[in-house]
Amino acid sequence: GEDVEQSLFLSVREGDSSVINCTYTDSSSTYLYWYKQEPGAGLQLLTYIFSNMDMKQDQRLTVLLNKKDKHLSLRIADTQTGDSAIYFCAERGGGSYIPTFGRGTSLIVHP
Amino acid sequence: EAQVTQNPRYLITVTGKKLTVTCSQNMNHEYMSWYRQDPGLGLRQIYYSMNVEVTDKGDVPEGYKVSRKEKRNFPLILESPSPNQTSLYFCASSLSGGGGNTIYFGEGSWLTVV
Repeated sequence: GEDVEQSLFLSVREGDSSVINCTYTDSSSTYLYWYKQEPGAGLQLLTYIFSNMDMKQDQRLTVLLNKKDKHLSLRIADTQTGDSAIYFCAERGGGSYIPTFGRGTSLIVHP
Repeated sequence: EAQVTQNPRYLITVTGKKLTVTCSQNMNHEYMSWYRQDPGLGLRQIYYSMNVEVTDKGDVPEGYKVSRKEKRNFPLILESPSPNQTSLYFCASSLSGGGGNTIYFGEGSWLTVV
C-alpha cells in the first residue's frame, strides 16, 4: 500500500525556525496535508497543498512540495512554545477517499 | 459551533463486552470516518461513509462495525472487543469525500480493553 514517512521527533529552540519533513510513495497524490494535534485533542488541519503547486505560504507556515522527489515539508517561522504538538503529514490520491497519514512528528519547543 | 462530538471520551471495558462509540457532527457533512491512533503507527482508517446508508472498509476494519442511518451520526461498534483494540479512536467528517474538503476531527475516545 501507499506509505507516508516522517521523522518521529524534532526539537527546536523558541524563536528558531522548525522544518518538518515528509516523504510519500503515491505518485498519484493529489492533495497533501499538514495536521496539528495538541495534547488531548483531535487533529486540526493546518494547511494543504494541491499537487500542481510548489509552495504555499500562510503567515508563519510555509509548505514546500517537491513532486519529483515526493517530498513535502512544513516550515514554521519564529517557533513558539504553543507550537509544541504532533504534526501529521497526509496525502490523498485523486479519486481516493482514504487519506494516508504519516506517523506524526512530535515538535518540542524549548526556551 | 461546528463540531464533531464523540462519546464516551474515556472507557475501560472487558474483553467480549459489546460497546458502541457514538459520533455526531452538526455540519451536515456527507463524509464521515473512523480512525484509530496507535503509538508509532499514526492514524489508520477503520471505516468511512460517503453518505447515509453508504459505508466502506478502510485499512483496518477487522473487529469493527459501523452504521450510517442518519447523516449526522456514525457510530462505531465493537461487537466483541479484544485487548488489541485498545487505542485512541477519532471520528472525522468532511463536506464530501473530495480531497480539497477539510476533514474535521472529534476530540478522540480513549478505549482500554482488559
